[in-house]
This record gives sequence, structure tokens and C-alpha cells, in this order.
Amino acid sequence: DQQVKQNSPSLSVQEGRISILNCDYTNSMFDYFLWYKKYPAEGPTFLISISSIKDKNEDGRFTVFLNKSAKHLSLHIVPSQPGDSAVYFCAASHGSGNTGKLIFGQGTTLQVKP
Amino acid sequence: KAGVTQTPRYLIKTRGQQVTLSCSPISGHRSVSWYQQTPGQGLQFLFEYFSETQRNKGNFPGRFSGRQFSNSRSEMNVSTLELGDSALYLCASSFLGGLETQYFGPGTRLLVL
Repeated sequence: DQQVKQNSPSLSVQEGRISILNCDYTNSMFDYFLWYKKYPAEGPTFLISISSIKDKNEDGRFTVFLNKSAKHLSLHIVPSQPGDSAVYFCAASHGSGNTGKLIFGQGTTLQVKP
Repeated sequence: KAGVTQTPRYLIKTRGQQVTLSCSPISGHRSVSWYQQTPGQGLQFLFEYFSETQRNKGNFPGRFSGRQFSNSRSEMNVSTLELGDSALYLCASSFLGGLETQYFGPGTRLLVL
């Protein structure tokens, strides 16, 4: 039972355009969501997070939107750069302090073309 | 400051064998979590150790076990290996277990033949 789903395995965008990565979840108990970026041969790197009390969090070129009623979150990257090409994982948790409850999606491979 | 290190980086085993993977966290970090990454299941949480105690556990069979030493280094053991255990095993460390401050190692790629 996949509690966190990233239905698009891959996404290709042109440099300078917007990249939108989507993530759906089924467990209404999740109250904290994170996005990680992963390059080949490296571990995932934390990118941005959002608490369920918010519907938007922005950090530079990265913005995460949360729609609790739809159990959906999205990551927007504007403008996209070739260095953003990586696998992006969304993850969900109960509470930000508890590492152990991180549930990951299967990842979306983003390719940003120059 | 040195990052999370995992050894070995690559490993080939045969079915029925056992394997031990090692993770050295960032200096000062007390929490170590282990994850399994496979193409079919994505990243799945195995367990978390904090101050030598298992604090959280995912939904994996008892063949998967771990431990943490007083210096916070952690080992993960898989007994009676199955073909489906072929995966990238990642560990992540953080000071207290906070998700945003969790740093991942490069992983150990295990192939079971």
C-alpha cells in the first residue's frame, strides 16, 4: 500500500521554464512533508519542507504547495536550471522531530534541457 | 566536517548468506536511520537508532536487524539473503532525529545472486 505516490516517473523541461513535480498521499495523519533531491551515486539531500498548518512554503527558486483537502503537494522550481536535473522524492511524516516515520514516494526524474 | 560514510559501497552476495553494512554518522550526530531503495518500492524506512536504542522500526521482516554503538556508528545486518534484498541501502544521520537536518550517506549497493 503506497501511502505516498509520485505518479510521474519522469519530467523534462526547458531551461528557464517552470518545473512542477507532484505528489499525492493517502494518510490524513501526515502532518509534515519534505522534498529531497538525489543525484546519481549520492544520498538524497533535503530541499524544502512544509507543515500541514501551511499551504505554501518558499525558498529561493523552490516553492512547495500543499492542498490538504486533495491530499496533494507539489514542488515548483522557477526558473529551472540544468543543475536541477536529478531525482526528486517527496516524503511525509508525523511531526518534524520524528525521523522514523518518513514515508517516501517513488521519485520523479527531472531533466532540465539547456 | 566529514559527511556520512557507508562501507562497503558495493557488495555481491548469494542467496542464503548474511551481510553486514556499516554507517558512520556525522560527528556529533546521535540519530542514525536506515533506508532501502529499490526500483519497485522506492525508498523505504527500515529503522532508526538513537543513543544505541532502536527508536523506530519500519515494516521489514526480522531478517533485517541493526545496532548502534556508543560512538553512534551503526551497523545493519541482513540474514538469509533473498534475491529481493538487492537494493541500495542508505543511512542518514542527524543530531536529534530532526527530519530537516537529516544527512544521507552515498549508500551501499547490494546485489544478491
